[in-house]
Amino acid sequence: EIVLTQSPATLSVSPGGRATLSCRASQSLSRSLAWYQQKPGQAPRLLIYGASTRATDTPARFSGSGSGTDFTLTISSLQSEDFAVYYCQQYNNRPPLTFGGGTKVE
Amino acid sequence: QLQLQESGPGLVKPSETLSLTCTVSDDSFSSSSYYWGWIRQPPGKGLEWIGHIYYSGSTYYNPSLQSRVTMSVDTSKNQFSLKLTSVTAADTAVYYCANLWVVENYFDSWGQGTLVTVSS
Repeated sequence: EIVLTQSPATLSVSPGGRATLSCRASQSLSRSLAWYQQKPGQAPRLLIYGASTRATDTPARFSGSGSGTDFTLTISSLQSEDFAVYYCQQYNNRPPLTFGGGTKVE
Repeated sequence: QLQLQESGPGLVKPSETLSLTCTVSDDSFSSSSYYWGWIRQPPGKGLEWIGHIYYSGSTYYNPSLQSRVTMSVDTSKNQFSLKLTSVTAADTAVYYCANLWVVENYFDSWGQGTLVTVSS
């Protein structure tokens, strides 16, 4: 099973600031990584797939990068609605599909 | 975008079977492009993939749950279902259904989730 480690667990950022979230895999994923945003009481929402392709309706301030074992989600100018928990998910070794433990942006 | 909706009991007794159904909003249920999956999230914790199923009935389960999980489809009703046997308090979670692309297994559209509590 591929283990995904997200860091930091909590990220404190001011509105308008830049947020950089990391996801590291225990083995190479090529580019088979997705990012999700989850707000309290809501289902996760797909943001990024294929490591860097924005999903429909994902604002351009969200960008994904990386390949292999190291991936990054960057929020260029944090808006109030971006404060949430972010999860990465790998689908290179399928199954089992696995998620990272999450990063809370506050 | 697809609409998915989970339904089922919110309270299950220990050692009994958890049963949930997900209804998909349109005829894309029989599309060859999608799998249909279940994910759960214990209160205050992260996400865990339970498994997914193709409209033809082919299944893929999380090895950690495989001995207790069964998924099925009802194409006439645009529904797929989850059964989890011998539940314990550790199975208390919000259960989500979602669709995955066959070519790339990321979760595209999600249901709102349903909280299932295991308690006597």
